[in-house]
Amino acid sequence: GAGVSQSPSNKVTEKGKDVELRCDPISGHTALYWYRQSLGQGLEFLIYFQGNSAPDKSGLPSDRFSAERTGGSVSTLTIQRTQQEDSAVYLCASSLVDGPYEQYFGPGTRLTVT
Amino acid sequence: QQQVKQSPQSLIVQKGGISIINCAYENTAFDYFPWYQQFPGKGPALLIAIRPDVSEKKEGRFTISFNKSAKQFSLHIMDSQPGDSATYFCAARGGSSNTGKLIFGQGTTLQVKP
Repeated sequence: GAGVSQSPSNKVTEKGKDVELRCDPISGHTALYWYRQSLGQGLEFLIYFQGNSAPDKSGLPSDRFSAERTGGSVSTLTIQRTQQEDSAVYLCASSLVDGPYEQYFGPGTRLTVT
Repeated sequence: QQQVKQSPQSLIVQKGGISIINCAYENTAFDYFPWYQQFPGKGPALLIAIRPDVSEKKEGRFTISFNKSAKQFSLHIMDSQPGDSATYFCAARGGSSNTGKLIFGQGTTLQVKP
């Protein structure tokens, strides 16, 4: 079946602009995660969705970051007033909630803030 | 407590050799330990994973060794091939929030020389 898809694959934006990143999880996966990977760094957790609710937002770095999920499927990560330090690859992963625990990642969106 | 420490940062192995990457953790509430392989420009791909009640898991040329008492686990790649050249991340799931988020190591860049 289809894997996790993300769009756009690349996004270049000017400092101060808002951006929206989209994630389509694997069909039937009720758990959805957003991670951020900065250049040469490991993956940093941002937010977790179970269905449409987000019980864990602990990784969002500032109130400029928000995310939503609708219909238990597609999720959008929004970054307002982008800063240069927001430049990174934003990765989405999905899994079943009740196990097994395997998280499957999408290809990511590379965000560059100029 | 939430950290996963990974070493080495980079590794060069000759074709046919054994690649070994190590990870250590502190939080005994972690309940699942996956390894991911990432090629440049791609999202991380799940390689192999282990639960803490098992000391070893083998899938093809890839083996995870898990030492619960030492809170350490490692990935062994037998008969390493140039196609294995990639960045490898260990991770741990669970912890205090237990929302399923993964805590990642910093990654190891593996180069297998022909």
